[in-house]
Amino acid sequence: SQQGEEDPQALSIQEGENATMNCSYKTSINNLQWYRQNSGRGLVHLILIRSNEREKHSGRLRVTLDTSKKSSSLLITASRAADTASYFCATDQRELTFGKGITLSVRP
Amino acid sequence: SQTIHQWPATLVQPVGSPLSLECTVEGTSNPNLYWYRQAAGRGLQLLFYSVGIGQISSEVPQNLSASRPQDRQFILSSKKLLLSDSGFYLCAWSVLDRGGNGYTFGSGTRLTVV
Repeated sequence: SQQGEEDPQALSIQEGENATMNCSYKTSINNLQWYRQNSGRGLVHLILIRSNEREKHSGRLRVTLDTSKKSSSLLITASRAADTASYFCATDQRELTFGKGITLSVRP
Repeated sequence: SQTIHQWPATLVQPVGSPLSLECTVEGTSNPNLYWYRQAAGRGLQLLFYSVGIGQISSEVPQNLSASRPQDRQFILSSKKLLLSDSGFYLCAWSVLDRGGNGYTFGSGTRLTVV
């Protein structure tokens, strides 16, 4: 069954702006992961945040996790046209369960 | 370095025909292996996972099956394909102590059942 649910479903921004994507989940987790998928391609792991962590950075990516609200956010700063892709959150319990994804379009 | 190979990249098969998709992993031992399916505009659905040779867990009852004949080989099969089997199939691997590395996915197989 689906665990993570991303919000919004689609996001369109101008290059240089920040993109914020949210994810909510239902049950306790070991960690939460964000993945990126370019059209017709496999998924690429972006970042993993453990259940005892609140914030994590990787380059232009910033992930937060609020286990009390069962939610996470992915922030991409100074977006580029090449960031255009679908983004998925996935919760890790026994195995990885994905949300439906967010389609991000960055206009040059 | 660890790599994952998945083939074929695209496949068009008639209804009722058999299916065999193969996935192999290099550069790691005893990985956890996974088959996911992604329908158009949908998220990923876990189909099967394996923690070792011959050990297969099925998440969704359907006409698909999986086998792991070798440590780094994972095969997805069907005896008779249905139209509803169309989708994008992704193989992935992880290690027990995943650290911060997450799962590594193959490039996927686009299956169209006609």
